[in-house]
Amino acid sequence: SQQGEEDPQALSIQEGENATMNCSYKTSINNLQWYRQNSGRGLVHLILIRSNEREKHSGRLRVTLDTSKKSSSLLITASRAADTASYFCATDQLPNSGGSNYKLTFGKGTLLTVNP
Amino acid sequence: KAGVTQTPRYLIKTRGQQVTLSCSPISGHRSVSWYQQTPGQGLQFLFEYFSETQRNKGNFPGRFSGRQFSNSRSEMNVSTLELGDSALYLCASRFTSGGALDTQYFGPGTRLTVL
Repeated sequence: SQQGEEDPQALSIQEGENATMNCSYKTSINNLQWYRQNSGRGLVHLILIRSNEREKHSGRLRVTLDTSKKSSSLLITASRAADTASYFCATDQLPNSGGSNYKLTFGKGTLLTVNP
Repeated sequence: KAGVTQTPRYLIKTRGQQVTLSCSPISGHRSVSWYQQTPGQGLQFLFEYFSETQRNKGNFPGRFSGRQFSNSRSEMNVSTLELGDSALYLCASRFTSGGALDTQYFGPGTRLTVL
């Protein structure tokens, strides 16, 4: 079953605009990771945010995490045509016994289209 | 450092056949995971290996199996292929045994088509 749910499912913007994608999840987590995938290719890791962090930046990316609401957002600033891709959030769930479930659970993704 | 590599990149099989996919993790990574990606089900976890031991398995039939070798390379096998097994199979590796600081790095995937 899907742990994360991205919102929106699709987003179309103009170059230079900001893009915000949201992710909600259901159970307690160790961390939450965002990935990018270009048209049927492998996943590229963008950023990891730990459960005790609230915000993280990497270049034009800004990720927030609200564990009380079980949600995260990914902001891409000053978007470029090359940012066109599908974006996935993935959670490393915290099992009842602690530690890790040793797997990532992915949402369905947000398809971002950046028009030149 | 070289990234995660997967072979072959593309594969066409017919129903009833079996297939073996290979994954070489990033040097030094001991954990290898496999995922299946389809348009309908999205990305779904198949199994994870660490130091040659399977630590977790997703909700897939027994036709899907895997193993990990002492050099951390991993193989995934699917027997008695069905049309629904057509998918992109992704392998991912990570350094540690899981937890808050653990990033998974993915390979380019193997595109399997079952006719």
